[in-house]
Amino acid sequence: SQQGEEDPQALSIQEGENATMNCSYKTSINNLQWYRQNSGRGLVHLILIRSNEREKHSGRLRVTLDTSKKSSSLLITASRAADTASYFCATDEHAGKSTFGDGTTLTVKP
Amino acid sequence: DVKVTQSSRYLVKRTGEKVFLECVQDMDHENMFWYRQDPGLGLRLIYFSYDVKMKEKGDIPEGYSVSREKKERFSLILESASTNQTSMYLCASSERSGANVLTFGAGSRLTVL
Repeated sequence: SQQGEEDPQALSIQEGENATMNCSYKTSINNLQWYRQNSGRGLVHLILIRSNEREKHSGRLRVTLDTSKKSSSLLITASRAADTASYFCATDEHAGKSTFGDGTTLTVKP
Repeated sequence: DVKVTQSSRYLVKRTGEKVFLECVQDMDHENMFWYRQDPGLGLRLIYFSYDVKMKEKGDIPEGYSVSREKKERFSLILESASTNQTSMYLCASSERSGANVLTFGAGSRLTVL
């Protein structure tokens, strides 16, 4: 069964706007990661947040983690057309094994 | 600088054929994984390996087998392909220690007719 569930399933915004995606999970985790996938390609790792962290930044990305609510959010600020992709959260309940959600498809219109 | 290479981007096979999907990584990673990705179902783990000649079943191993004879290579085998195995197959690798940060290949899109 899937651990992470992303919300919304699809998001369409204008260039320059911020995009927020959410991820909920069911069991305790060691860490949570976000990946990006361009159409028809493999996934690329974006950012990792550990279970004892609450917020993390990387460039235009901001990730938060609320372990009490078993949820995480990914914020992309000042979005660009090149940010158009699917975004997945992945949780690690056991060392060396990640479980992915269905992903959020983001479309950024120029 | 390609780090995880999947041998075929697109394959078309017939029902009952034996199919080999090859994956090679050049990062000296101990862990290797095979996922399949289907619309509405996300990524599902088929098999993974923590070391040479080791393999572990993932969430959906039925109809698949794997081989890891060398550290850098992890092969997925469909002994007798069926139409419900039409999918995108993604190989990934990661280091043994620390967080399981995955490096993915570009994917292999398999169509079984």
